[in-house]
Amino acid sequence: DTGVSQDPRHKITKRGQNVTFRCDPISEHNRLYWYRQTLGQGPEFLTYFQNEAQLEKSRLLSDRFSAERPKGSFSTLEIQRTEQGDSAMYLCASSLQGTGSYNEQFFGPGTRLTVL
Amino acid sequence: AQKVTQAQTEISVVEKEDVTLDCVYETRDTTYYLFWYKQPPSGELVFLIRRNSFDEQNEISGRYSWNFQKSTSSFNFTITASQVVDSAVYFCALSEAWGAQKLVFGQGTRLTINP
Repeated sequence: DTGVSQDPRHKITKRGQNVTFRCDPISEHNRLYWYRQTLGQGPEFLTYFQNEAQLEKSRLLSDRFSAERPKGSFSTLEIQRTEQGDSAMYLCASSLQGTGSYNEQFFGPGTRLTVL
Repeated sequence: AQKVTQAQTEISVVEKEDVTLDCVYETRDTTYYLFWYKQPPSGELVFLIRRNSFDEQNEISGRYSWNFQKSTSSFNFTITASQVVDSAVYFCALSEAWGAQKLVFGQGTRLTINP
């Protein structure tokens, strides 16, 4: 399978614990996006990388959230001191920034986080 | 700021009926892209269509059709002769043409097709 993969698919944690999610983009895709989707809502942009550089962060990304893409390939999203309000589906997408005017984003299956 | 509104939270129809999902957007950009995605119960977002703001030609793909009207800032989606497999949550989204090209999604419309 050469699509975007995310791990784990489901995570249940207790409030106050730290969690880390991983996203493996489509090979050769230089852009990677993180979105968050809460129940009954559409996905909301969190942050994106061009290669290893984090170029934009949403105001939704509080200080407890940190994302990395150390070698320009896979990315991790860490949430420290989780709160019940962090319960959501975390979606990763990747795209290839090329010469075309639009670069389609391909989404992974998501990681569903439940904070008890 | 960009915004997408899907006023219909839930729609329920009987199989074989036609159904239209509404989408209204706001943007100050002159060039932008519009999208529709399908999210089945499995949760993965499935891309359906992308439209450039300069291309107002309607599009038909099988039972699916899209009506883009720049004058009313709308991008509506119609399913003809609906089937049970069409049951899902459908999202309309908007993207800037340049820069981050991050997607701004609407709240989604849950479509249920009853046999």
